[in-house]
Amino acid sequence: EVQLVESGGGLVQPGGSLRLSCAVSGFTLGSYWMSWVRQAPGKGLEWVANIKEGGSEKYYVDSVKGRFTISRDNAKNSLYLQMNTLRVEDTAVYYCARGGGRDVYTSDYWGQGTLVTVSS
Amino acid sequence: DVVMTQSPLSLPVTLGQPASISCRSSQSLVYSDGNTYLNWFQQRPGQSPRRLIYKVSNRDSGVPDRFSGSGSGTDFTLKISRVEAEDVGVYYCMQHTHWPFTFGPGTKVDMK
Repeated sequence: EVQLVESGGGLVQPGGSLRLSCAVSGFTLGSYWMSWVRQAPGKGLEWVANIKEGGSEKYYVDSVKGRFTISRDNAKNSLYLQMNTLRVEDTAVYYCARGGGRDVYTSDYWGQGTLVTVSS
Repeated sequence: DVVMTQSPLSLPVTLGQPASISCRSSQSLVYSDGNTYLNWFQQRPGQSPRRLIYKVSNRDSGVPDRFSGSGSGTDFTLKISRVEAEDVGVYYCMQHTHWPFTFGPGTKVDMK
């Protein structure tokens, strides 16, 4: 059974940092693109970042470029999102999702999400 | 960035009746490999998104056959042939042809 479990969310002050993790099971992480998608409270979905199977390609939405870094450790079956210089507008539930390339797997499985709250 | 629009944004439905959601993109979603990377998602209250349809018209495993997707180029449609109570939620289209991938604003489906 495919599972994705996010962790690492919490309350952080503006300008602070947080590292999200996504532990996966039920499939071989190294065979898939992976993504982070966020959803601000009461709002729609926003794609945040993607990373290719081996980590050689990464893409970010403009609003997080230079502040967020997506990474992965295929041996540990884990995906990460390092978030620096956090802003109030980064407050959201962050989901990891399988896939993220131009293929049939993109967004076929999602985690339950982890809430990040940026507030003073 | 590719802008995705959906209509309507709110859709009151009646049990057993059909429902339809439109999704339009600001540019063609046909990729150079000939595929069109347009997905549909359902998000029930308090839950993570669930993919229903991939590449315009392919239903995911376990998705009831009352859900169908169609369209091409820049115009796409999600149809529910006979709405059931469990279909209440927000529906999103999403393109993953062009970076950055983008979602529509969502269509809230609820019972009349």
